Amino acid sequence: GQQLNQSPQSMFIQEGEDVSMNCTSSSIFNTWLWYKQDPGEGPVLLIALYKAGELTSNGRLTAQFGITRKDSFLNISASIPSDVGIYFCAGRAKLDSNYQLIWGAGTKLIIKP
Amino acid sequence: KAGVTQTPRYLIKTRGQQVTLSCSPISGHRSVSWYQQTPGQGLQFLFEYFSETQRNKGNFPGRFSGRQFSNSRSEMNVSTLELGDSALYLCASSSGAFANTGELFFGEGSRLTVL
Repeated sequence: GQQLNQSPQSMFIQEGEDVSMNCTSSSIFNTWLWYKQDPGEGPVLLIALYKAGELTSNGRLTAQFGITRKDSFLNISASIPSDVGIYFCAGRAKLDSNYQLIWGAGTKLIIKP
Repeated sequence: KAGVTQTPRYLIKTRGQQVTLSCSPISGHRSVSWYQQTPGQGLQFLFEYFSETQRNKGNFPGRFSGRQFSNSRSEMNVSTLELGDSALYLCASSSGAFANTGELFFGEGSRLTVL
């Protein structure tokens, strides 16, 4: 089946550093979404991308929909302690006449004290 | 606007028992999806309901079932619980049919521990 490879699996960063994570697949998607999950909470949608090449920002977050439609990246600039959590990418594609949402395994962001 | 509400938040069951989890979507949302989240497996799709009809189903055994009521509230049931069913079960709602955008609003989850 379709799979998303999300990397890195985890990141240890200093406060103030920029962060970059990405998702790749061998399949084509028509929507890419980025979610963040805080401990003890459900995931929250950060950014949704609908067009190949689209670059969208949400505060210090920037995400891009890859031109090939097979990848997406998320950047966080000047990280702060509340950025800690797990970031998930998700790609939406039509499969067997149904839309499917395929999820990456997540990137755990940890800020070094 | 109230968010997605899941009950119970925590529960402990023993092997062989069955469990029912409840989800109330955001008011006006008609689509509800269920996910299982475990540390090693990430988010695994269980099923999706829209207007009381199951529209999509993930690769889970028949012990996992669900339904949606006319007020869009949804329940999922797991029968004959196994140790491996211990997980966080997340419910998500969306404003249109799930197919439209993929933009989901998640509840806080029901954490199930099977002993």
